[in-house]
Amino acid sequence: NAGVTQTPKFRVLKTGQSMTLLCAQDMNHEYMYWYRQDPGMGLRLIHYSVGEGTTAKGEVPDGYNVSRLKKQNFLLGLESAAPSQTSVYFCASSPLAGDERETQYFGPGTRLLVL
Amino acid sequence: AQSVTQLGSHVSVSEGALVLLRCNYSSSVPPYLFWYVQYPNQGLQLLLKYTSAATLVKGINGFEAEFKKSETSFHLTKPSAHMSDAAEYFCAVSRSNFNKFYFGSGTKLNVKP
Repeated sequence: NAGVTQTPKFRVLKTGQSMTLLCAQDMNHEYMYWYRQDPGMGLRLIHYSVGEGTTAKGEVPDGYNVSRLKKQNFLLGLESAAPSQTSVYFCASSPLAGDERETQYFGPGTRLLVL
Repeated sequence: AQSVTQLGSHVSVSEGALVLLRCNYSSSVPPYLFWYVQYPNQGLQLLLKYTSAATLVKGINGFEAEFKKSETSFHLTKPSAHMSDAAEYFCAVSRSNFNKFYFGSGTKLNVKP
């Protein structure tokens, strides 16, 4: 049981390039989330999904797109990267029901540097 | 709207001393509250959570937190700090059908020998 995994761990992009971050979870969780972490600002929600085929905007969605084609995967896309998107990105998942339904489980993060 | 305030971006204690990390929330209804810990270059790990059961919540590694509705607080404590407690700690609140979290800005705990 790997929990939540993220690919890649680290990436350097040039301004204007595109990329996709992959999040995978093997806990059969319904809910999945993408956050960005910046110094002194905690974690801010970018987008989230409440089930396969559904996505919704969080606090800071501009410049990002997401897709949830399979229940276990949640992809975060940057179509045209900007230096302001330099950050650490975390994926999380949460079950819909059960004793742990209020808890989010986090991946190890992806460090993105946009030059 | 919900928000979380963590007082003190950096806290420094001596090994063996009391750890107190402060968290206040604003919510129109009693929320679910969480403390997560983040070690360098790692993801977030759940320390403890309050979900409207006992107001004093015990977590892993000797940490506990008390939910005080009258003070809208959920401070994290540990009686005796250990060097391995050095990390960044995040308070989070959730009150949503989709379990969306709102995080505080984090407190970095430094433990001095």
